[in-house]
Amino acid sequence: DTGVSQDPRHKITKRGQNVTFRCDPISEHNRLYWYRQTLGQGPEFLTYFQNEAQLEKSRLLSDRFSAERPKGSFSTLEIQRTEQGDSAMYLCATQAGALDTQYFGPGTRLTVL
Amino acid sequence: AQKITQTQPGMFVQEKEAVTLDCTYDTSDQSYGLFWYKQPSSGEMIFLIYQGSYDEQNATEGRYSLNFQKARKSTNLVISASQLGDSAMYFCAMRGIIQGAQKLVFGQGTRLTINP
Repeated sequence: DTGVSQDPRHKITKRGQNVTFRCDPISEHNRLYWYRQTLGQGPEFLTYFQNEAQLEKSRLLSDRFSAERPKGSFSTLEIQRTEQGDSAMYLCATQAGALDTQYFGPGTRLTVL
Repeated sequence: AQKITQTQPGMFVQEKEAVTLDCTYDTSDQSYGLFWYKQPSSGEMIFLIYQGSYDEQNATEGRYSLNFQKARKSTNLVISASQLGDSAMYFCAMRGIIQGAQKLVFGQGTRLTINP
């Protein structure tokens, strides 16, 4: 257990519904990342927070996706109007400093029917 | 742009044997970091070992060691005395050492199966 927690672990939803995932970082880790991993692939970067500021977003993050980290602690990732192509594992990772290792949470597995 | 290539989709090894998982990378950065993560079927990415581009010695961490060849841009993971619990997906990843987002770029992974 790395100390990064994610909730829920599994989510099944119907196409067109909105879903929200939560990530709780290791205490005092001010850097937080979201990645998406589809079947048979390695994780791909979605977005990055340093404290509460969202400093970088991937082109993978369409306008249906939004992420927040309101007080620089936990973060949420929301997907609006889900599509079947959004089915994937969504991984959160946190990092203490720029040159430190990223530690991952257990992920949220999303299935869009 | 950074790129990671893992050419072995699957590896099958007998318990207690050593195994080498291949990873090559491409980057124009002068400074970078290389990582290996293990992903069991539960889905969590577990950090195994790190090599900095300026580290002169190969990294070791218990049964894990890296065969880092900078000129060939390869960083192969060696697992000694494999155990049944080593069966998992293994991902090689890299990041630049620059200001800002230290996002990881991952390869496609190698599925390792340890046979009893």
